Amino acid sequence: GAVVSQHPSRVICKSGTSVKIECRSLDFQATTMFWYRQFPKQSLMLMATSNEGSKATYEQGVEKDKFLINHASLTLSTLTVTSAHPEDSSFYICSAPRGGHNEQFFGPGTRLTVL
Amino acid sequence: GNSVTQMEGPVTLSEEAFLTINCTYTATGYPSLFWYVQYPGEGLQLLLKATKADDKGSNKGFEATYRKETTSFHLEKGSVQVSDSAVYFCALYYLDKIIFGKGTRLHILP
Repeated sequence: GAVVSQHPSRVICKSGTSVKIECRSLDFQATTMFWYRQFPKQSLMLMATSNEGSKATYEQGVEKDKFLINHASLTLSTLTVTSAHPEDSSFYICSAPRGGHNEQFFGPGTRLTVL
Repeated sequence: GNSVTQMEGPVTLSEEAFLTINCTYTATGYPSLFWYVQYPGEGLQLLLKATKADDKGSNKGFEATYRKETTSFHLEKGSVQVSDSAVYFCALYYLDKIIFGKGTRLHILP
């Protein structure tokens, strides 16, 4: 089956630094990828849609300048949390659709802790 | 707008008990419906799906039927196992976006 990977799986950083999270589709091409944020014991919140070759589409309330998204190729999207603060600590998950957009494959997630 | 409501947990059952996790949705169109499962420390995995009314999705002993008349997609399993302990998310997929319910944490006791 389709596999989506994320790297790193876990990152701890100091407040004010930037962190890059990679999302890769390993055995299929994805012109679109999605980034979610999951708070403890809560559901996934869609942050943005990453589009290969064009700008990302952000959901309402998500700061574009804080969460930079780059869809560098048909198999790679990156999310950069800029000037991270403790309130950015969360579980970030990406997904990619395959098979006519009727199914999403999710990455294993990246746990970010900002000290 | 589109939304998903599922029963709040945690749900605690004994092994071999019958499981139902309720899920209802509101949608402006005709979405596809999904159940995802998240095991401790892991990402989301698709458990089952249904793409149109009256479809039944099934996998690993779990079943859910797309009920348009009641806008529901309840998850059921006849006999749960300890290994089913996880968080279950009901979701709808429409116009390239997934909307998740808040998740239901399931604990199965041996």
